[in-house]
Amino acid sequence: GENVEQHPSTLSVQEGDSAVIKCTYSDSASNYFPWYKQELGKRPQLIIDIRSNVGEKKDQRIAVTLNKTAKHFSLHITETQPEDSAVYFCAKGAGSYQLTFGKGTKLSVIP
Amino acid sequence: NAGVMQNPRHLVRRRGQEARLRCSPMKGHSHVYWYRQLPEEGLKFMVYLQKENIIDESGMPKERFSAEFPKEGPSILRIQQVVRGDSAAYFCASSATGKGDTEAFFGQGTRLTVV
Repeated sequence: GENVEQHPSTLSVQEGDSAVIKCTYSDSASNYFPWYKQELGKRPQLIIDIRSNVGEKKDQRIAVTLNKTAKHFSLHITETQPEDSAVYFCAKGAGSYQLTFGKGTKLSVIP
Repeated sequence: NAGVMQNPRHLVRRRGQEARLRCSPMKGHSHVYWYRQLPEEGLKFMVYLQKENIIDESGMPKERFSAEFPKEGPSILRIQQVVRGDSAAYFCASSATGKGDTEAFFGQGTRLTVV
């Protein structure tokens, strides 16, 4: 699969504020868009995913939106907490090829 | 379910030695992916294997790197004649279907240091 661009590469927010990370892609085949969280020294873990047949999905303080026409999807974290500090990776995939990851966003939540 | 198991967690090798990294997928998963993560960088796809077959090795360096997933036992990522630039975290992931539209579960990674 082709690349996925992720922005910003670093993000600092005050505790309680919202954080938004955006990813863009260019192919038409991708239909699965997961987000992974990687804490320092640990494995990447899936936190939320969305498929192309929906535009938004929410799980407590985390939400993901997808605009398939514009080919971008975003992760939204509300009421950020210090434990949200980590590196977040977006990814895209389709039945015909494996996941392609963005370069990651290092989120720092300042108490 | 023990999840994806990688060993060793940390591996130190001198330049020119061989490094062998092992990955046992989740129970019931027969699709394994290897990724490399350099410090402060993202996850770079290396190779995708299914039992006894290499499906996609487009991310593997042409020389010194090889991977296998035998019928019995873990998947092995092998790096021959290691160089300093091979120092990185190597993550293995597994999935049930091998399709890019299903969740991949990651192991804890092997941190390779070449001295």
